[in-house]
Amino acid sequence: NAGVMQNPRHLVRRRGQEARLRCSPMKGHSHVYWYRQLPEEGLKFMVYLQKENIIDESGMPKERFSAEFPKEGPSILRIQQVVRGDSAAYFCASSPGIDRPRSENTIYFGEGSWLTVV
Amino acid sequence: DAKTTQPPSMDCAEGRAANLPCNHSTISGNEYVYWYRQIHSQGPQYIIHGLKNNETNEMASLIITEDRKSSTLILPHATLRDTAVYYCIVRVIGAAGNKLTFGGGTRVLVKP
Repeated sequence: NAGVMQNPRHLVRRRGQEARLRCSPMKGHSHVYWYRQLPEEGLKFMVYLQKENIIDESGMPKERFSAEFPKEGPSILRIQQVVRGDSAAYFCASSPGIDRPRSENTIYFGEGSWLTVV
Repeated sequence: DAKTTQPPSMDCAEGRAANLPCNHSTISGNEYVYWYRQIHSQGPQYIIHGLKNNETNEMASLIITEDRKSSTLILPHATLRDTAVYYCIVRVIGAAGNKLTFGGGTRVLVKP
């Protein structure tokens, strides 16, 4: 089962540096979602993308955070000028397009990327 | 998406069935009920979903009441590896929706 692949699994950045997290969706999936989980907290939706389009970014912080899902290649979550509060687990998920039967439109998650800002 | 209500925690004996309740009294006709779980330090794992009929797969069974206002996830023979936080989520599938909104879930501890 070639699931959702995320890398790096663990990333350490100094305050002020940039962090780039990559996500390759499951084969055949064209929708990608990013979630953040702060230590001892729940999963919070950040952004939902289709190839080359941002569908819903209602959970993205207004500054320093951006996401893309290009026509070719993985989805990227980019955090500029990281601060200690950005330390968290970032989960990517994917699903088929909405043209698939609704009963099959399940979202699957990757194992996460753990960002530590020092 | 409609909100769900789950008990914050529950214990279960190893080898026994675990019945996890979920209330979703404001669910709409086009919303599915999904269950996920998150084992510590891992990504959320899909368990099962349904619209109005009961569903069963290799992991669990999902019982949805006739009025669809509540559901129960059944783990038939709980093992220690089933210790996790279980999330009940209602989700509309369509261009404007699609995403999953996680609540607090139920923290399930399976005891020997």
